[in-house]
Amino acid sequence: DIQMTQSPSTLSASVGDRVTITCRASQSISSWLAWYQQKPGKAPKFLIYKASSLESGVPSRFSGSGSGTEFTLTISSLQPDDFATYYCQQYNSYPRTFGQGTKVEIK
Amino acid sequence: QLQLQESGPGLVKSSETLSLTCSVSGASISGNSYFWGWIRQPPGKGLEWIGSIYYSGSTYYNPSLKSRVTISVDTSKNQFSLKLSSVTAADTAVYYCARDYQRDWFGPWGQGSLVTVSS
Repeated sequence: DIQMTQSPSTLSASVGDRVTITCRASQSISSWLAWYQQKPGKAPKFLIYKASSLESGVPSRFSGSGSGTEFTLTISSLQPDDFATYYCQQYNSYPRTFGQGTKVEIK
Repeated sequence: QLQLQESGPGLVKSSETLSLTCSVSGASISGNSYFWGWIRQPPGKGLEWIGSIYYSGSTYYNPSLKSRVTISVDTSKNQFSLKLSSVTAADTAVYYCARDYQRDWFGPWGQGSLVTVSS
């Protein structure tokens, strides 16, 4: 199985900050990566596919980049609604696997 | 608007079979080229894909669970279901159903159903 490792595990930030989350794959996954946002007690929400393509309706302050084994999710200006846990997921090979999550909390 | 809703018992005894159903509304489960999947999340932990099904009945499972998992579909009811046999405390989790976009990513998701395995 491909292992997905996110860093940091927890990130403290303030409203308006630029935030970057890293996701690393144990082997190359090309650009076959998705990102999700999960708020406490809620289901994950799909944000980004193919590493950098934004799902319809997702605010443009979210962006994704990377290929191969290293990827980033960036929030250009953190909003109150963005405090949540973020997960990456690879779909290069089966079984599809997720990162362990990065919690973005209020500083 | 596509919506998914999980239903089933919230408590299952150890060694028995966990059964959940996902009801799909806002779109036909037979439409387009979508698969339909199950993902679980143990309390306070990360996400694990369980398996997915196409409306024709074609399935594919996570090898780590394959020996215990059965996913089925009922197109007449616009539903798909999960059965996980021989459960243990390690199977305690929130179980989500979701549209599986061409066997790539998942979205949207149901609200989730907490299943606790008791001894």
